[in-house]
Amino acid sequence: GAVVSQHPSRVICKSGTSVKIECRSLDFQATTMFWYRQFPKKSLMLMATSNEGSKATYEQGVEKDKFLINHASLTLSTLTVTSAHPEDSSFYICSAQDRGRPDTQYFGPGTRLTVL
Amino acid sequence: KQEVTQIPAALSVPEGENLVLNCSFTDSAIYNLQWFRQDPGKGLTSLLLIQSSQREQTSGRLNASLDKSSGRSTLYIAASQPGDSATYLCAATPGGSYIPTFGRGTSLIVHP
Repeated sequence: GAVVSQHPSRVICKSGTSVKIECRSLDFQATTMFWYRQFPKKSLMLMATSNEGSKATYEQGVEKDKFLINHASLTLSTLTVTSAHPEDSSFYICSAQDRGRPDTQYFGPGTRLTVL
Repeated sequence: KQEVTQIPAALSVPEGENLVLNCSFTDSAIYNLQWFRQDPGKGLTSLLLIQSSQREQTSGRLNASLDKSSGRSTLYIAASQPGDSATYLCAATPGGSYIPTFGRGTSLIVHP
């Protein structure tokens, strides 16, 4: 089946630093990838839609300068949390939409970010 | 705007019980309804996907039903086991964008 990986799975950083999270579709091409954020005991909140070769579309209330998204190829999207602060600590999950089956999303294993 | 609600928020049962997890959605114009499992600190594992034209899907001890007109889906877990302990999320996907709206999940604990 289709596999989506995320790297790193867990990262701890100091306040003020930037952190990059990678999302890769391993055996299919994904023209569209999605980035979600999940707070404890809360639902997944869609942050942005990442489109290959174009600018990401951000959901209302999500700072585009804070959460930089780059989708440079059909198998890789990156989310960079810039100047991270403790309130950015969260679980970030990506999903990828199969180019051949746009009605199906495949989810990555998530990245736990802790900002000290 | 689609809203997805899951009841109960948490459930603790002894091993062997049959369980029903509920999911309701406000906009019945969905493309599909999906149930996921999430273990602590992990990503999502897809359990069952029901297309809008379908009434139910089954996989092993799991059965999911869909009633689009009433905006409801249920996940039935038969003969629960401690290994079933996890959070169960449902997600309603619209046509067009295919971007799902998730519920907050039901946190399930099955104790021996």
